[in-house]
Amino acid sequence: QVQLVESGGGVVQSGRSLRLYCAASGFTFSNYGILWVRQAPGKGLEWVAVIWYDGSNKYYADSVKGRFTISRDNSKNTLYLQMNSLRVEDTALYYCVRLGSSWAIDHWGQGTLVTVSS
Amino acid sequence: QTVVTQEPSFSVSPGGTVTLTCDLSSGSVSTSYYPSWYQQTPGQAPRTLIYNTNTRSSGVPDRFSGSILGNRAALTITGAQADDESDYYCVLYMGSGVWVFGGGTKLTVL
Repeated sequence: QVQLVESGGGVVQSGRSLRLYCAASGFTFSNYGILWVRQAPGKGLEWVAVIWYDGSNKYYADSVKGRFTISRDNSKNTLYLQMNSLRVEDTALYYCVRLGSSWAIDHWGQGTLVTVSS
Repeated sequence: QTVVTQEPSFSVSPGGTVTLTCDLSSGSVSTSYYPSWYQQTPGQAPRTLIYNTNTRSSGVPDRFSGSILGNRAALTITGAQADDESDYYCVLYMGSGVWVFGGGTKLTVL
């Protein structure tokens, strides 16, 4: 079955960097676009970034543009999110999600928690 | 700044019908935005319910249906059950690799 397992979260000081990982299994990773979606504590969901199936296109929410970089290694079935210049407002549970048909998410990971302290 | 608005909360009686909506600040929601809907219960990852306006995801009961009502996307739950009590999020695809989530609707079944 499709599995997306996030890791790399933790507590980090404002201004520092962190790299998130998403290990995919149960499907042909190189055939699918993947997104990062985050959820601040007690808040709603927010789209963060997307990468096309072949890495040819990457797009970012305005809130993270210029600070976050999404990438993938299809040989390792792994997605990455490099987060630089972290801010307190980046504190959230970060989900790795698969892009399915019709521009919709069809599978979700369980998330990894990022806490940015001041 | 594109804003997608949902009712913050809604209440439905067991067995009742409820329609949650998804509104777009910049105009009407159409199928061109490929509206999708997600259900999240506390402490759990979201689950995909509806995509491409009205297509149910695998395993989703047919009491969940999606549509366009007027100028909004809509999620209708017919015959609400206790375990439908959750947060519901709509998402619109704006094109050019950009998605916008609604703020979510907290549904209470009582």
